[in-house]
Parts: sequence; C-alpha cells; structure tokens
Amino acid sequence: QKEVEQNSGPLSVPEGAIASLNCTYSDRGSQSFFWYRQYSGKSPELIMSIYSNGDKEDGRFTAQLNKASQYVSLLIRDSQPSDSATYLCAVRDTGRRALTFGSGTRLQVQP
Amino acid sequence: DVKVTQSSRYLVKRTGEKVFLECVQDMDHENMFWYRQDPGLGLRLIYFSYDVKMKEKGDIPEGYSVSREKKERFSLILESASTNQTSMYLCASSVTDGRTEAFFGQGTRLTVV
Repeated sequence: QKEVEQNSGPLSVPEGAIASLNCTYSDRGSQSFFWYRQYSGKSPELIMSIYSNGDKEDGRFTAQLNKASQYVSLLIRDSQPSDSATYLCAVRDTGRRALTFGSGTRLQVQP
Repeated sequence: DVKVTQSSRYLVKRTGEKVFLECVQDMDHENMFWYRQDPGLGLRLIYFSYDVKMKEKGDIPEGYSVSREKKERFSLILESASTNQTSMYLCASSVTDGRTEAFFGQGTRLTVV
C-alpha cells in the first residue's frame, strides 16, 4: 500500500513566523499533490495543489515539490493564530482516482 | 461552488443496527468517495465509485457496503454497526482529470453504542 508520511506535531510557531510543514510519499509515479487544512471538528478544505517540481506560491502559502526526493512541503509565511489547524498532505498515486492522505500535522500559532 | 452534502452531522446508533450514511454532490462529478478519519490514522479510504452502479473497494472495506443508484448520490452502509466503527465519516467527490482535488462534505460523526 502506498504511503504518505507526515510528522504529527504539534508544530508550534510564534505569530508572524514562517511555519514549515513536510510530507514524504512512497509512490515514485505520483503526479498530483495537495495540501488540505482541517480545523477541529470540520472537514478538510484545499489550500494548495502542485504538480511540477519547484515552488508554487499563493498569498502567504508556498508549496514545494521535489519528485526526485519524493518530498512535498508547505510554507506558511506571517503565520496567524487563525492558521492553527491540522494540515493534511494528500497524493494521487499512479492509476488511482482516490487521494492517499497522510495523518496530518497539527500546527499551533502562538499569539 | 461545489457542494457536497452529507445527510447527518451527528448520529448515534446501537450495536447491530444497519446504518445508512447519505452523500449528495451537485457538480456532476464522476467520482465519489467515502473516507473515515480516526485520531492518529488520518483519512482512510473505505470505498469509491467512478460511475453509477460502479464501485471499488478502498483500503478498509470490511464491514461496509455502498450504493450509487444516481450520479449525484453515494451511500455508505454499515451492515451491522459495531463499536469499532465509531468514527468521523467524510464523503468527497472529484472529476477524473488526474489533477483536480477532491471536495469534501461536512462530515458525519457516528457513535455506535
């Protein structure tokens, strides 16, 4: 079974700092990568998607993909207390319609 | 906006009951999925469907079945509920282009007593 690994955290950062969230995956053929944010008791919502090696920026969020190292990360600049949530890394494996999720990293932004 | 709606936000059922969880999406997506989410285990795929009346087992199908009679509706059935099926159940839908994300419903918190 293909795997997606994340550090469960919690990752604690002060307000205004950069939060760095990391994810590794086992299927070398994976083509699509997603970061979801999930607040406690709520369903996941998409933050970023990335398909090509390199960086992709959207506002305070930057996704980074390195297929050779099978590594994807999410950077959150100027972290706010409202960013406190669990961040789920998801990968669409080769030939599979469903996403495989990591167990999530809990982020705490301290005011 | 894509909308995925699950019929119940919270459910409490007794051991041995047959339980139906309903999910409806309004964006004509081919694919629909049922996941369960447990602390420390992330989201695990139970079943998915890629067309009406078509289904495939996910990673943890035991104790569950599904039904998709119409494109917009996907039901998860617990044939005989057990306490180890107490969990958060999430329905999702997507198109088949290999790139688009999955959109989630609000989740159903099921407690089996």
